[in-house]
Amino acid sequence: SQTIHQWPATLVQPVGSPLSLECTVEGTSNPNLYWYRQAAGRGLQLLFYSVGIGQISSEVPQNLSASRPQDRQFILSSKKLLLSDSGFYLCAWSVRTGGQSFGEAFFGQGTRLTVV
Amino acid sequence: AQSVAQPEDQVNVAEGNPLTVKCTYSVSGNPYLFWYVQYPNRGLQFLLKYITGDNLVKGSYGFEAEFNKSQTSFHLKKPSALVSDSALYFCAVRDDSGAGSYQLTFGKGTKLSVIP
Repeated sequence: SQTIHQWPATLVQPVGSPLSLECTVEGTSNPNLYWYRQAAGRGLQLLFYSVGIGQISSEVPQNLSASRPQDRQFILSSKKLLLSDSGFYLCAWSVRTGGQSFGEAFFGQGTRLTVV
Repeated sequence: AQSVAQPEDQVNVAEGNPLTVKCTYSVSGNPYLFWYVQYPNRGLQFLLKYITGDNLVKGSYGFEAEFNKSQTSFHLKKPSALVSDSALYFCAVRDDSGAGSYQLTFGKGTKLSVIP
């Protein structure tokens, strides 16, 4: 069966410090990968998605970047955190078939980031 | 562009009563529709999906949803609510046309409170 691991679960970082959140998927190959941010326990904002190694699409301009160094690894980074980067970050994956993706996404347990 | 609207921020229902959480959508092509549930400080759990076929979709934990193309709606329902159903519910949509198929767009969420 497929599983998704996301860590750490919580993180408190000072303003201006770097960030690295990691997400890995097991039990599947060539997944679509996603990073979402959820602010104030509500709506989800798609930050990045990836359809393959080294292929990253950014949905919103921001202080964050993403990388996919391996097929089932997705990393969210920042060189210098801002207060506004605080939030709940969720990694997700979905099956990709024939170059497209129509199925549901499966989510990790999330990382609560507090920038102080 | 695809979008999802959940018109109710909060829904309160008495235990044992039927519940409905509303969702409407907008897509360019054909919609692929999903419902997720989120408990505090956790990731999203997939409940059910509509891809094609029967308009009434059954999912996990006794939930079901009805796809209505003319009203562009996909309301979540359960015949008899449980206190343990209290959580945040998200509706999401994929568009089968072009790049939209990679993007899973979420509504802002509806907080369901089931009162004992």
